[in-house]
Amino acid sequence: GENVEQHPSTLSVQEGDSAVIKCTYSDSASNYFPWYKQELGKRPQLIIDIRSNVGEKKDQRIAVTLNKTAKHFSLHITETQPEDSAVYFCAASKVAGNQFYFGTGTSLTVIP
Amino acid sequence: GAVVSQHPSRVICKSGTSVKIECRSLDFQATTMFWYRQFPKKSLMLMATSNEGSKATYEQGVEKDKFLINHASLTLSTLTVTSAHPEDSSFYICSADYTFGSGTRLTVV
Repeated sequence: GENVEQHPSTLSVQEGDSAVIKCTYSDSASNYFPWYKQELGKRPQLIIDIRSNVGEKKDQRIAVTLNKTAKHFSLHITETQPEDSAVYFCAASKVAGNQFYFGTGTSLTVIP
Repeated sequence: GAVVSQHPSRVICKSGTSVKIECRSLDFQATTMFWYRQFPKKSLMLMATSNEGSKATYEQGVEKDKFLINHASLTLSTLTVTSAHPEDSSFYICSADYTFGSGTRLTVV
């Protein structure tokens, strides 16, 4: 089965700085990689995703890069704000199956 | 966008009893839904894939007789935790079409 690893487990940055979270996956058949943000006690919310036919995708302050050969993908948040503080999960799936295998999560704290 | 509703949001039950959790797709039909379990400050672990009109597919290590899944319609999947024990206490969350339900906090006392 799929095994997704995520680093770091915790990350603290100053407001305005950038944050980078990295994930690796094991199953070369995985071709869809979403990133979720989860605030305490709430459901995960999809913030950005990337498919295997694309190397990079950007949405305002958030970007995701994918290296299919190396089987790793990363989340980049620029100009961080306190409201970015949350736990972020990466995931991998095969689009047709639509079931996700999640990374272990990164607790991001943005210090004002 | 897709909306997934999950009920109840919180439930406390006694050891040995069973608890049913519902997951509904409100504005779309879902032939497949997914059930996850999340321990405090931990990641989401896929438990099973719920298939409309057929048996659920369970991940390795998940007891199918313990966690009964029924997907009787295109908009509803249920997870029943049978003979609950305190170690079953957790946050259970469903998903469909890349959207998550609001989750159910189960506490077994």
